[in-house]
Amino acid sequence: DVKVTQSSRYLVKRTGEKVFLECVQDMDHENMFWYRQDPGLGLRLIYFSYDVKMKEKGDIPEGYSVSREKKERFSLILESASTNQTSMYLCASRQGSQPQHFGDGTRLSIL
Amino acid sequence: DQQVKQNSPSLSVQEGRISILNCDYTNSMFDYFLWYKKYPAEGPTFLISISSIKDKNEDGRFTVFLNKSAKHLSLHIVPSQPGDSAVYFCAASVWGNTDKLIFGTGTRLQVFP
Repeated sequence: DVKVTQSSRYLVKRTGEKVFLECVQDMDHENMFWYRQDPGLGLRLIYFSYDVKMKEKGDIPEGYSVSREKKERFSLILESASTNQTSMYLCASRQGSQPQHFGDGTRLSIL
Repeated sequence: DQQVKQNSPSLSVQEGRISILNCDYTNSMFDYFLWYKKYPAEGPTFLISISSIKDKNEDGRFTVFLNKSAKHLSLHIVPSQPGDSAVYFCAASVWGNTDKLIFGTGTRLQVFP
């Protein structure tokens, strides 16, 4: 069965900190994605990657960067966390034209 | 600007009845649509999809209808069950660029006994 694992379910950080969110998939999928989910806004794509060391900006990349050094791992980086980045972050992966499979999310609070 | 809209934030339906969840889109280039279901504290799970060459796709109790001229799709759940209580998101993309899904804001469905 498809498994997308996000390293933390809950995370609390302070304004200005550098924050790393980690995501691992075990299906050898080519494509991986980071979204944030906010009330009244649905899911919005931050970044995605279609191969190791490759990345593409999504709809809201400002304030974020990503890293994909290995096929199974996709990291989201908040360079200098701000309170407006408090959100639920969802990682997903997929292969070819198959639907995206999501992890269970990381609820990040920036104080 | 919200390209995919789910205008009903919530819906309450009795068990055994039909649930109809609606979704409207503005971008006429969208030609591939999906529905995801999300339980609290879990990630969204894929439910059903439809491409623009069809106007209906069925999978068990779930049917998606697409009206291209109205830029409208709907998800029908028949019969509704308490386990269907969740938030439902519709999503759209352009075929050939399905990495970029545009999600709606979600509709919370509650199925009561």
